Amino acid sequence: QVQLQESGPGLVKPSETLSLTCTVSGGSVSSGSYYWSWIRQPPGKGLEYIGYIFYTGSANYNPSLKSRLTISIDTSKNQFSLKMNSVSAADTALYYCARHTKSGHFDHWGQGNLVTVSS
Amino acid sequence: QSVLTQPPSVSGAPGQRVTISCTGSSSNIGAGYDVHWYQQLPGTAPKLLIFDNSNRPSGVPDRFSGSKSGTSASLAITGLQAEDEADYYCQSYVRSLSTSNVVFGGGTKLTVL
Repeated sequence: QVQLQESGPGLVKPSETLSLTCTVSGGSVSSGSYYWSWIRQPPGKGLEYIGYIFYTGSANYNPSLKSRLTISIDTSKNQFSLKMNSVSAADTALYYCARHTKSGHFDHWGQGNLVTVSS
Repeated sequence: QSVLTQPPSVSGAPGQRVTISCTGSSSNIGAGYDVHWYQQLPGTAPKLLIFDNSNRPSGVPDRFSGSKSGTSASLAITGLQAEDEADYYCQSYVRSLSTSNVVFGGGTKLTVL
């Protein structure tokens, strides 16, 4: 059974860079059958798609966040990562990593990593 | 303001049937993109409930069903149970320039009375 686990700091200062890593077990990020995604959820609010990456390194980003994002993949560690720069309080959220099928749905999710942006 | 519109809340008594709508437009659901549904129990990550409009992953009870027509989709839950109390999200894609991007509905809170 595929499992995903987010890791990273829970507190980031405004204007700094948010960095998270997702470690995948029970499956390979090198599989050509899936994309590997990030999704976030501000406290008490709905889900927002951030972006995804393919094992080749090709990435797709939410246009509203694209200028601040970098998603990368490390097939040797079976991990993929998110970097978001110039964060503000509006970026405070629970950040999920998820496996994204080519059919378009997210079939496996991590448990989430709460990131608070505050000085 | 989400691209896909869901009612903020719905409710029903145990045993009843409820439906949750997901209304889009010609640039997303109406463009032929499939709709997927997720259930988020309190304090947990979302879980895939319905994929490709009407398919259930293994382990999801057949009390849950999905449909799509035109620019909208619906999730139906029959034989409502207390454990169904959760937030439900629809998801699809929106066409933009040379690519497409994932979009979620705003979510619907289901209360079991």
